[in-house]
Amino acid sequence: KNQVEQSPQSLIILEGKNCTLQCNYTVSPFSNLRWYKQDTGRGPVSLTIMTFSENTKSNGRYTATLDADTKQSSLHITASQLSDSASYICVVSLKTSYDKVIFGPGTSLSVIP
Amino acid sequence: DTEVTQTPKHLVMGMTNKKSLKCEQHMGHRAMYWYKQKAKKPPELMFVYSYEKLSINESVPSRFSPECPNSSLLNLHLHALQPEDSALYLCASSQAGGSSYNEQFFGPGTRLTVL
Repeated sequence: KNQVEQSPQSLIILEGKNCTLQCNYTVSPFSNLRWYKQDTGRGPVSLTIMTFSENTKSNGRYTATLDADTKQSSLHITASQLSDSASYICVVSLKTSYDKVIFGPGTSLSVIP
Repeated sequence: DTEVTQTPKHLVMGMTNKKSLKCEQHMGHRAMYWYKQKAKKPPELMFVYSYEKLSINESVPSRFSPECPNSSLLNLHLHALQPEDSALYLCASSQAGGSSYNEQFFGPGTRLTVL
């Protein structure tokens, strides 16, 4: 069964600290993996997108890694800011159906002063 | 223009009302999507239009009726909704045809409340 799992479910960190969010997937055939940030009541915004051959991709303070062998990805946030408080969603796309992507349940991140 | 816009931002309707949600993009994308998202849950795919033709309908009740008048516009017509249909409705677009970097761009959503 094609599935995406994320951990932790929720996370609270102090402003300025780093954190790492995890994504495990059992999706085949794999096309790409994306991390989205979603503020409450808003649409998801893409942070990174990686294909099978890419191991790391950065977008400012966000760095995503992908291990296609173990089917794991992580999103590392450096020097967190209050504005990083949001839900972070891991989304995996299949080669056989680019339109029907598989969403993870998301990690809710709260950054506190 | 790299933006997907949605109107209205908020909508409150009764169960006997007819209303429409609108979505627009000017990125030249030829695939457009409607998603429904309940609180603290990931988005659920409802419909996909590819080259202005309905390509995916995820067994959505007929009280939701999508329409794609042209390649830039996507509507969702609502009629006789139920309170459980209250949710955030998201529109997205992407380049059609499929590629390894086929990325969906999301709009800000319409918060729908059915009374």
